Amino acid sequence: AQSVSQHNHHVILSEAASLELGCNYSYGGTVNLFWYVQYPGQHLQLLLKYFSGDPLVKGIKGFEAEFIKSKFSFNLRKPSVQWSDTAEYFCAVNMASGSARQLTFGSGTQLTVLP
Amino acid sequence: KAGVTQTPRYLIKTRGQQVTLSCSPISGHRSVSWYQQTPGQGLQFLFEYFSETQRNKGNFPGRFSGRQFSNSRSEMNVSTLELGDSALYLCASTFQGGGTEAFFGQGTRLTVV
Repeated sequence: AQSVSQHNHHVILSEAASLELGCNYSYGGTVNLFWYVQYPGQHLQLLLKYFSGDPLVKGIKGFEAEFIKSKFSFNLRKPSVQWSDTAEYFCAVNMASGSARQLTFGSGTQLTVLP
Repeated sequence: KAGVTQTPRYLIKTRGQQVTLSCSPISGHRSVSWYQQTPGQGLQFLFEYFSETQRNKGNFPGRFSGRQFSNSRSEMNVSTLELGDSALYLCASTFQGGGTEAFFGQGTRLTVV
């Protein structure tokens, strides 16, 4: 069964600091990878996704992520965080083919950005 | 276009009762998935429906069931509620499912007392 690990449960940063959130997955086949964000009181929103091609993907709000196949990793980065980035971030994966296309989520990382 | 709509937003039920939650996907989307979100277990997949057929099911007891109608709207039902069923239930719709982007609703907050 596939699984997703997010290394940090809670990250606290000051505004303008750089961000990197770790995500590792366990699955032997080809996967699609996602980062979702959940702002307080709001629904899950897609930040970015990787299906194939360039392993460095850019998403909304200045976020990017790099897929490193050899490390089974898909870390999220942002060079300079803002107070409005305070939210919970979820890494997710699903199989790239077959019928079992449900998302498997990591446990989430709560990011708090101090003004 | 309108997003994923889940109703009701909040529910309080008593142990032993049953509950039905509703999800209207984005127009044109045919796949609807349900997830349970709790502080302890995080986001866990319940089941996915595509063209009125359950395509995948997560590791939940049979008390959790669902269905999808011809207009792609979906309902999930939980019977014989337990305290541990208290959670945020999220619905996600995708155009076809799987590799395409999943759009989430705001969820239904179920509290079992």
